[in-house]
Amino acid sequence: DQQVKQNSPSLSVQEGRISILNCDYTNSMFDYFLWYKKYPAEGPTFLISISSIKDKNEDGRFTVFLNKSAKHLSLHIVPSQPGDSAVYFCAAEGGNDYKLSFGAGTTVTVRA
Amino acid sequence: DTEVTQTPKHLVMGMTNKKSLKCEQHMGHRAMYWYKQKAKKPPELMFVYSYEKLSINESVPSRFSPECPNSSLLNLHLHALQPEDSALYLCASSQVNEQYFGPGTRLTVT
Repeated sequence: DQQVKQNSPSLSVQEGRISILNCDYTNSMFDYFLWYKKYPAEGPTFLISISSIKDKNEDGRFTVFLNKSAKHLSLHIVPSQPGDSAVYFCAAEGGNDYKLSFGAGTTVTVRA
Repeated sequence: DTEVTQTPKHLVMGMTNKKSLKCEQHMGHRAMYWYKQKAKKPPELMFVYSYEKLSINESVPSRFSPECPNSSLLNLHLHALQPEDSALYLCASSQVNEQYFGPGTRLTVT
């Protein structure tokens, strides 16, 4: 049962524009959310996270928004750069079992 | 410093071989993880160690055997693997919420 969903498998954006990646979750016990970026044949790199007590967290070009009532979060990348071309995974955790539930990923391509 | 190291980077093994994957972190993280990742799929959790004790085994076949010799090291012993076990094996560690991943070992079973 997929508890974290990324419904857009791919996103193409022009360099300098905003990239918006979306993620939905079904488990109301999730209280911490993370975004990871992954290049082919490499391990995922932690990008940014947000606790359920917040609705926004910003780190440089990356901002994550959380809408708890809608069980929805999004990652904004502004401005998009060619090096941002990668697969982005949304992940969520809840409780004390250390387990992350991952979405299926969104492949972002930044066009010059 | 959020570095997790893994060796080897690539491994090719036959179905009768025994090999081990190694993972190391020096961040003082209390939890360490093994994941398996197939192309274009999210990481799939295999094992979790918390304070050097195995806390989660996600029903992984016994041909995969984890070991945590100390708080900085995590091994994954492999024996009698199948071709479908070919994948990227990722190690991660965490202190609280954020898990930091290593670069992975690309395993090919022939």
